[in-house]
Amino acid sequence: RKEVEQDPGPFNVPEGATVAFNCTYSNSASQSFFWYRQDCRKEPKLLMSVYSSGNEDGRFTAQLNRASQYISLLIRDSKLSDSATYLCVVTNTGFQKLVFGTGTRLLVSP
Amino acid sequence: NAGVTQTPKFQVLKTGQSMTLQCAQDMNHNSMYWYRQDPGMGLRLIYYSASEGTTDKGEVPNGYNVSRLNKREFSLRLESAAPSQTSVYFCASSEEQGFGYTFGSGTRLTVV
Repeated sequence: RKEVEQDPGPFNVPEGATVAFNCTYSNSASQSFFWYRQDCRKEPKLLMSVYSSGNEDGRFTAQLNRASQYISLLIRDSKLSDSATYLCVVTNTGFQKLVFGTGTRLLVSP
Repeated sequence: NAGVTQTPKFQVLKTGQSMTLQCAQDMNHNSMYWYRQDPGMGLRLIYYSASEGTTDKGEVPNGYNVSRLNKREFSLRLESAAPSQTSVYFCASSEEQGFGYTFGSGTRLTVV
């Protein structure tokens, strides 16, 4: 079983739509959680951290459910520029290295 | 404000050839990492260096060696390239464990 699992998509949505991505992780000792964004043929970049209390950054909302080992990302009012692959990321135990999911691809169309 | 610089950006090798991928960061970060990214596999950690003078294996270290030359530079060496090492390689650095990763723009390596 992969340590971080995501639906690969693609998710095809029109501009203005609300879209949600989910992710599950297998290591209950994981301590930190993130969403990264990766544009085609580019490097990953941090989108936002994920906290148990939930956190929001503009149109983006992230949630963490430690009991279910589940992370979500909600994007409201999708823009064309949101088209990218969204990577769910957790840290492992010991030295806190990032462990990446395979990513969920989002395509926003006019 | 270069951040993390990787060279080369593209490389084609023949099976059995060797090469070194270079990575340098100018953010005074303590930790540095090498990942590879393959379709359907996500980014997988090859080696990391928690601090200057230390290196440790990640998830997929076989066929690779690394050198943390100083605080700024962390190189990845392929001693005898194999087609299975065809991938996109990303170097990253972070100020503290698990946070604030900055990635380089990647090296696209093809082994034929």
